[in-house]
Amino acid sequence: DAMVIQNPRYQVTQFGKPVTLSCSQTLNHNVMYWYQQKSSQAPKLLFHYYDKDFNNEADTPDNFQSRRPNTSFCFLDIRSPGLGDAAMYLCATSRESSGQGFQPQHFGDGTRLSIL
Amino acid sequence: AQKVTQAQTEISVVEKEDVTLDCVYETRDTTYYLFWYKQPPSGELVFLIRRNSFDEQNEISGRYSWNFQKSTSSFNFTITASQVVDSAVYFCALSEAASNYQLIWGAGTKLIIKP
Repeated sequence: DAMVIQNPRYQVTQFGKPVTLSCSQTLNHNVMYWYQQKSSQAPKLLFHYYDKDFNNEADTPDNFQSRRPNTSFCFLDIRSPGLGDAAMYLCATSRESSGQGFQPQHFGDGTRLSIL
Repeated sequence: AQKVTQAQTEISVVEKEDVTLDCVYETRDTTYYLFWYKQPPSGELVFLIRRNSFDEQNEISGRYSWNFQKSTSSFNFTITASQVVDSAVYFCALSEAASNYQLIWGAGTKLIIKP
């Protein structure tokens, strides 16, 4: 089945130690998103790629970076994780094209990040 | 002001009861989309429905139904004959041109179905 896959499901890192979360998709969607979701809150968009174009949200900390080497993969890099970065990180994809409207976003299972 | 309001923080019902989750939105765009997502305890977000602003027809999918009323800016979600597996957090979201069609999320409603 076509899907959005996030690895790992759980990630533990040390305070200040860089960490990378990965997302892959078999849906061939042209847009990929990264969200941060803290307990009992709605997801918060960090950034998204529309094809190769990177779009950063204004309030996303510089500590968060992203790479999309090809259509199928997207990475979230946290350069120096702080305790406040402990959260669920969700990857989503969608297809957006003129004349077809905005298709629903499909989410991966998420990576739960813990900071020691 | 919140653009998507889910006033019910938590709802608890007994299995087999019907339950309605409220969603009120605010937008000045004439073209927009409304969504419902389910997030069970395991954490993944599951897409349930998308409705565009030009289609006010109510929709039914099994035990789920949605009532879209532009006159009251509401997009309510009803689960009929609820089951324990329906226990989850449900998010309503808005997508509009003014926000570059990114999802604007409500705060979510936690639904607890007791056996």
